[in-house]
Amino acid sequence: QQQVKQSPQSLIVQKGGISIINCAYENTAFDYFPWYQQFPGKGPALLIAIRPDVSEKKEGRFTISFNKSAKQFSLHIMDSQPGDSATYFCAATSTGFQKLVFGTGTRLLVSP
Amino acid sequence: GAVVSQHPSRVICKSGTSVKIECRSLDFQATTMFWYRQFPKQSLMLMATSNEGSKATYEQGVEKDKFLINHASLTLSTLTVTSAHPEDSSFYICSASVSRNYGYTFGSGTRLTVV
Repeated sequence: QQQVKQSPQSLIVQKGGISIINCAYENTAFDYFPWYQQFPGKGPALLIAIRPDVSEKKEGRFTISFNKSAKQFSLHIMDSQPGDSATYFCAATSTGFQKLVFGTGTRLLVSP
Repeated sequence: GAVVSQHPSRVICKSGTSVKIECRSLDFQATTMFWYRQFPKQSLMLMATSNEGSKATYEQGVEKDKFLINHASLTLSTLTVTSAHPEDSSFYICSASVSRNYGYTFGSGTRLTVV
């Protein structure tokens, strides 16, 4: 019940295109859903996060869409750039749980 | 913003020796720190949760005596890999909880190679 399922495992998008990564969770107690970006040899960096009281959050080219009833959330990267090529992890947690539960990661490659 | 400094970034040690990895919160007090291990092309695997002044809570399957965690202050947590073996070679990452509002900041990671 603590799992967060992430798809796709890898993704290739042309420069300027839209990258979409999806995550699904089971634990309805989760109330914080961050996305992290990780470059090779580096630690994850927070990209954007959402709470279940809103259905969408946008920060620059990055948007989280959240569907509470379906227990799904997704990351959209608009106008994808080669510099966006990295591994993206979704995660979830709740007040009582404290720990972050990570998805399995998506390797994004944006071709020039 | 919240910054977590992790040191060293890379370390090579001989089999049987111990190595210590430091994780510091530079501009905030971290009541809780987390230690992760990451294998190539895989997700982060939580090893333990460390609360300042108390013993770390280890995840199932993580050897407490091999991976010693100390969180002696609100700005410093250390992970010591004792009697390291080649199978301990991995990427270790720490994270600190900024506040009760779920802020999690990650260190830059430590690449450990045991030869």
